Amino acid sequence: DAGVTQSPTHLIKTRGQQVTLRCSPKSGHDTVSWYQQALGQGPQFIFQYYEEEERQRGNFPDRFSGHQFPNYSSELNVNALLLGDSALYLCASSLGGAREKLFFGSGTQLSVL
Amino acid sequence: GNSVTQMEGPVTLSEEAFLTINCTYTATGYPSLFWYVQYPGEGLQLLLKATKADDKGSNKGFEATYRKETTSFHLEKGSVQVSDSAVYFCALTLNSGGYQKVTFGTGTKLQVIP
Repeated sequence: DAGVTQSPTHLIKTRGQQVTLRCSPKSGHDTVSWYQQALGQGPQFIFQYYEEEERQRGNFPDRFSGHQFPNYSSELNVNALLLGDSALYLCASSLGGAREKLFFGSGTQLSVL
Repeated sequence: GNSVTQMEGPVTLSEEAFLTINCTYTATGYPSLFWYVQYPGEGLQLLLKATKADDKGSNKGFEATYRKETTSFHLEKGSVQVSDSAVYFCALTLNSGGYQKVTFGTGTKLQVIP
């Protein structure tokens, strides 16, 4: 049973560029949440998708957007990258609007130069 | 707003020592409380949870009790092992319209030396 998979594992971009990160949830899960983890910090909630709609959003600017596909996989898009966007981006999946526990992927390490 | 405060690390202990990592929270409403663990190069894994006051979560020898009166959820283990070396995150969640949003602390790095 595959867990939560994220791609790519590492990514290097320059300021001003755009990036897309991908997440496949654990088999049977229909809810995907995205978190940003800066170095030495705890994960910060970006947003959550359920039934292909954004259900909740944290304190992140509109440069951060997402999408959920009919197969429950999800993408996180970040436009106009800033140096401060460098972080580990974690995807977490759960079932049924996230009432159950979260399963995390290993993350995508994004470096913005 | 909701927040979680946990003791700063790193915490360095000898094998078989007693572990306590303090965690306190601020929340509107009645949160569920969690401890997650992150091993090097990996994502977070749920270690234990408690959903109401006085509940005790336990797993792999770790324990934490939901103390509403002190708004705390301290993590303890009686005898740590080298394999317990990791970063530990205290977290809370409040269901908002049925959708869960997790608020994490900043993490405490634990290093256990033989």
